Amino acid sequence: SAVISQKPSRDICQRGTSLTIQCQVDSQVTMMFWYRQQPGQSLTLIATANQGSEATYESGFVIDKFPISRPNLTFSTLTVSNMSPEDSSIYLCSVDPIDSGANVLTFGAGSRLTVL
Amino acid sequence: ILNVEQSPQSLHVQEGDSTNFTCSFPSSNFYALHWYRWETAKSPEALFVMTLNGDEKKKGRISATLNTKEGYSYLYIKGSQPEDSATYLCAFDTGGFKTIFGAGTRLFVKA
Repeated sequence: SAVISQKPSRDICQRGTSLTIQCQVDSQVTMMFWYRQQPGQSLTLIATANQGSEATYESGFVIDKFPISRPNLTFSTLTVSNMSPEDSSIYLCSVDPIDSGANVLTFGAGSRLTVL
Repeated sequence: ILNVEQSPQSLHVQEGDSTNFTCSFPSSNFYALHWYRWETAKSPEALFVMTLNGDEKKKGRISATLNTKEGYSYLYIKGSQPEDSATYLCAFDTGGFKTIFGAGTRLFVKA
């Protein structure tokens, strides 16, 4: 299965700043998914990133707050903009490495952000 | 809004105990049900994908069952070991590349 390198693994950020999370996959994949887990909550899909087109955002998430880049088939970034304490979460990227249609996801190890 | 519920939220057991958790999901628009295991500071790891009503899957001491008609799945761990300590996530899959996760059951196994 695919191996995903995600960084940073953790960071402490000041309110009002922005942070970019990077996700590198060791194989080409069509779609990359960005998830968030707020404390005590479910993993929630933020957006789906396809190479060569704008990301598709889920209800409650907007491009201005979570801009995503997908420059090629192995890499994506998620930026958390103008952070507030409510953005303190674990952010994960994931892929369905065999594009099987079975949606069995491979995840990065996550980026744990704390916003002060 | 599709809701996936997991219970209990957390569980403390002794080494050697057997345990089980529940995942409840909508009984309509079912495509697949996934179980993942998420250890602290590691990536969530796929355990099972289940697609057919009555499915039973097994991997070592861990097994899972599926009832799509009533919308639940059970995950069983036989003879829990400290290395089983993790958060166990279930995810309801309607197809179409959208997977809805439960909040997880956090298992602590004490040696």
